[in-house]
Amino acid sequence: DAGVIQSPRHEVTEMGQEVTLRCKPISGHDYLFWYRQTMMRGLELLIYFNNNVPIDDSGMPEDRFSAKMPNASFSTLKIQPSEPRDSAVYFCASSPFSGLGTEAFFGQGTRLTVV
Amino acid sequence: AQSVAQPEDQVNVAEGNPLTVKCTYSVSGNPYLFWYVQYPNRGLQFLLKYITGDNLVKGSYGFEAEFNKSQTSFHLKKPSALVSDSALYFCAVRDIGRGAGKSTFGDGTTLTVKP
Repeated sequence: DAGVIQSPRHEVTEMGQEVTLRCKPISGHDYLFWYRQTMMRGLELLIYFNNNVPIDDSGMPEDRFSAKMPNASFSTLKIQPSEPRDSAVYFCASSPFSGLGTEAFFGQGTRLTVV
Repeated sequence: AQSVAQPEDQVNVAEGNPLTVKCTYSVSGNPYLFWYVQYPNRGLQFLLKYITGDNLVKGSYGFEAEFNKSQTSFHLKKPSALVSDSALYFCAVRDIGRGAGKSTFGDGTTLTVKP
């Protein structure tokens, strides 16, 4: 398997524009997580899905952020409208359900810059 | 609620010396504990985990960690550091009692190994 695949790797956009980040989890994994990493706040869990269903979105910072998982092989994180403070590295991760002791597999991240 | 503390932002060691990266946790039940490593411009990679059993866990690249329930700690160790071990290290905890797949990550510790 190629691992968790995220696209794009880098995104530069202007304030106010819509941004969509994409993630393809590892085939067969039941959990999908979206994280945001910044110098100030470290690694934050935004939302996670189990079997395509959102379980906990309490980390989503504002209504400008939304996430979907229409099927087991694809998820999106959308920011509309984007703001400079959204600049961060966004990671997608997946894990299989083999009990709760299973580690997460991370993608290489999308570096988002909002100017 | 579950939480993780990594008390040191930065750890510096000389190549060939032993290294320790500290982690303490707080959970309401029994924990699953993880260590991840992040190299520049990469996603997090799993190193090792404690689920149950032997308190000394061995993982990738010669790393090991010791689970200490009385001190609620899970320190990462390596007997002889390499320059290539220089990276950002994250400790994570998952509360078994929560019945969900959510992990909480520490703020990370930057390890620098000098030649």
